[in-house]
Amino acid sequence: DQQVKQNSPSLSVQEGRISILNCDYTNSMFDYFLWYKKYPAEGPTFLISISSIKDKNEDGRFTVFLNKSAKHLSLHIVPSQPGDSAVYFCAATDTTSGTYKYIFGTGTRLKVLA
Amino acid sequence: NAGVTQTPKFQVLKTGQSMTLQCAQDMNHEYMSWYRQDPGMGLRLIHYSVGAGITDQGEVPNGYNVSRSTTEDFPLRLLSAAPSQTSVYFCASSYSVGRLNEKLFFGSGTQLSVL
Repeated sequence: DQQVKQNSPSLSVQEGRISILNCDYTNSMFDYFLWYKKYPAEGPTFLISISSIKDKNEDGRFTVFLNKSAKHLSLHIVPSQPGDSAVYFCAATDTTSGTYKYIFGTGTRLKVLA
Repeated sequence: NAGVTQTPKFQVLKTGQSMTLQCAQDMNHEYMSWYRQDPGMGLRLIHYSVGAGITDQGEVPNGYNVSRSTTEDFPLRLLSAAPSQTSVYFCASSYSVGRLNEKLFFGSGTQLSVL
């Protein structure tokens, strides 16, 4: 039972354009969401997060949008750069029920074309 | 500041062998966890710990044991390795858990092959 889903395994975008990565979740108790970026042979690194009390969070070129009714979040990268080419994972957790689990999606491989 | 340190970086085992993957953090983090990354499966939680002496199961705990005798260390034990345990293993930690605005810090991973 995949509680966090990233239905696009890969995405190619031209440099300078917008990259949109999507993530869906099924557990309505999730109230905190994170995006991680992973380069080959390295560990994932934190990118941006959002709590369920917000619908948008912005950090430089990265913006995360949360639609709680649709159980959907998306990561926008504007403008996309070749250095953004990596695998992106979304993650979710429930901070209220004491389960203490961060559940990750399957990842989306982003390729930014120069 | 070393962060989260995993050893070894690479390991090859034969079926049935045992081994321990080491994870240490120097950030005084309460929460530590182990994930495995497999193609098409993303990062799956194996075990986690919310403090010394406290561990619990994640999504895929079978075949793995953990213990947390100190705040700094969280080793992952494979008692009898199987080819299905061939994967890349990541250790991750955070200062606390169950709070908004926390984030996981990951180690660089251990690539394990079981023949």
